[in-house]
Order: sequence, then C-alpha cells, then structure tokens
Amino acid sequence: QQPVQSPQAVILREGEDAVINCSSSKALYSVHWYRQKHGEAPVFLMILLKGGEQKGHEKISASFNEKKQQSSLYLTASQLSYSGTYFCGTPGGSNYKLTFGKGTLLTVNP
Amino acid sequence: DVKVTQSSRYLVKRTGEKVFLECVQDMDHENMFWYRQDPGLGLRLIYFSYDVKMKEKGDIPEGYSVSREKKERFSLILESASTNQTSMYLCASSRTSGRAGELFFGEGSRLTVL
Repeated sequence: QQPVQSPQAVILREGEDAVINCSSSKALYSVHWYRQKHGEAPVFLMILLKGGEQKGHEKISASFNEKKQQSSLYLTASQLSYSGTYFCGTPGGSNYKLTFGKGTLLTVNP
Repeated sequence: DVKVTQSSRYLVKRTGEKVFLECVQDMDHENMFWYRQDPGLGLRLIYFSYDVKMKEKGDIPEGYSVSREKKERFSLILESASTNQTSMYLCASSRTSGRAGELFFGEGSRLTVL
C-alpha cells in the first residue's frame, strides 16, 4: 500500500525550513527517503529503522515514529541545491521491495 | 563508482510494437527492480528480481514481463506497447541484506508510444 506524503508541493526561500511527512496505514518497520533532482535519477538520502530514530544528511534530518506509523523529513536552512522531489519509501510484502509515496516537490528560490 | 546503466534514454515506438528496455548494474547486486514514474503518481514498482531467473510481480505488472538471465542484467519487456505505457522507466538495484536496502537508480528511459 502506497504511503501518503504531505504536502504535495512546497516553495521556500533560501534559508527557510521545511517539513515533509510520510504516513502509512500499515505498520512500518523502516522508512527510506530519496531525493530526485529535475532530470536526474533518484538518490538515496537515509533509512530510518527504529522508532524515534533520527538521522542526518547535510542539513536534512528525519524522524520515525513507528507507533504513529509516520516519518518526517526536516530540511533546515534550505539551500538552492535542496530543490527536487522527495520520496519516502516503505517496505512492501517482500523484504526487498520498496513502495514509494507520490512525492513532494520542493522548490527553493533565492 | 557504482553504476546502473539503462540502454536507451529516449525511445519512440508505435502501438503494438514489442519493446525491450535493458538495464545493467556493475555492483554485483542480487536485487534488481523496474519502476515506472508518472507525474503525480510517484514511483510505482512493475517487477523485481532477487536472483538470476527469479522474478516477482510488483504493484503494476499488467502489460509487462521481465527477464533476468545474468546477475548484472535485468530487462523489461512490453509485449505489445500501448499508448498508456508512455512513461519514464527507472531501473534500480540493491544488495540483499535481509531487508529493503539502499536502491541505486539508473538515469531512466523515457518511452513514448504513438
């Protein structure tokens, strides 16, 4: 079942913060985050494995609340290079496959 | 540098044609995937393979088949292309680690079916 991402799109000015949410109706054991810049392949950001665990990548961090079945991605002091579409992915029926959300388009303007 | 290579960046085919999309990875990964990406729908899994000659259906397998004869190569086949298969197709690979691991994606193949 496809996880639900919100918001669908967000526009920021450089230096502003943003939060992207990912939620599932099924129990979550891990959440993956990817970023895809325009015209490029999606690139892995991080995997969150445990409840409440946080990880960071550049000035991007994330939390995972397995009880609430959701994860949030935090982008702090956004840079122009953060622009792109962010996808969360959750493991499906198989151990190996990921089911992705529809994505959140983040635009950072000067 | 790890690499997933898709043979064609852009293809234009006619309705009813048979289409082959090829993907090669050089990381000795066990798992390979084909996703389809459409605006507003995100990345949807078509098929995946966790070993040579092994395959499993993803979320939208209808109208597609796959082949994995060698570990490094995973092909997506459209037996009879239709206009609703016009899309961006992304191949990915990952290592087996008991759980869904980091996916490495190719640059994508944009298919237009006329």
